Amino acid sequence: DGGITQSPKYLFRKEGQNVTLSCEQNLNHDAMYWYRQDPGQGLRLIYYSQIVNDFQKGDIAEGYSVSREKKESFPLTVTSAQKNPTAFYLCASRGLGQPQHFGDGTRLSIL
Amino acid sequence: SQKIEQNSEALNIQEGKTATLTCNYTNYSPAYLQWYRQDPGRGPVFLLLIRENEKEKRKERLKVTFDTTLKQSLFHITASQPADSATYLCAPDGGSGNTGKLIFGQGTTLQVKP
Repeated sequence: DGGITQSPKYLFRKEGQNVTLSCEQNLNHDAMYWYRQDPGQGLRLIYYSQIVNDFQKGDIAEGYSVSREKKESFPLTVTSAQKNPTAFYLCASRGLGQPQHFGDGTRLSIL
Repeated sequence: SQKIEQNSEALNIQEGKTATLTCNYTNYSPAYLQWYRQDPGRGPVFLLLIRENEKEKRKERLKVTFDTTLKQSLFHITASQPADSATYLCAPDGGSGNTGKLIFGQGTTLQVKP
């Protein structure tokens, strides 16, 4: 079955550490996205990529970094510069003019 | 900047009634608008897409309207059931100046009581 896989489901970070969230898709989609969701809030766009080796900042990119070396993969690194990283992180992908497909998210907490 | 507004307060209705959710947008001329459902702890799931040249679209008990003059979309669930309880998100998309960026409204939480 085609879909998007996010791992891990739960992630804990110590203060001052960088952590990387994985997102893999086998839908052959060109575009991929990362969103952050805080409790009771909507989705806020962190980064997006429309093609391999290219990506753009979303509305809240500070403290995050991404790479898009392969079509299937769009990992998100939460750096130590992100002062409030505790949130639910969602990855999505889509084909041109098509709806988004979402993964089931990674919940990041600070120890 | 683009702005999307959905009713931030939860919508509580009785089973069997019609639920109507609103999505308003400003500084944007989308070519189409999407609606998603999100359950707690899960990623959103796509429900319906309506294009700017379509006034209304239906899928089973769901109906979406799109008024480009009012810059508004309405999402209706008829004969609502407790299983319809979830958060519903809208996302205007496409259109002139579109960069591929896709942003969502904050969502409206629907509670259907038996």
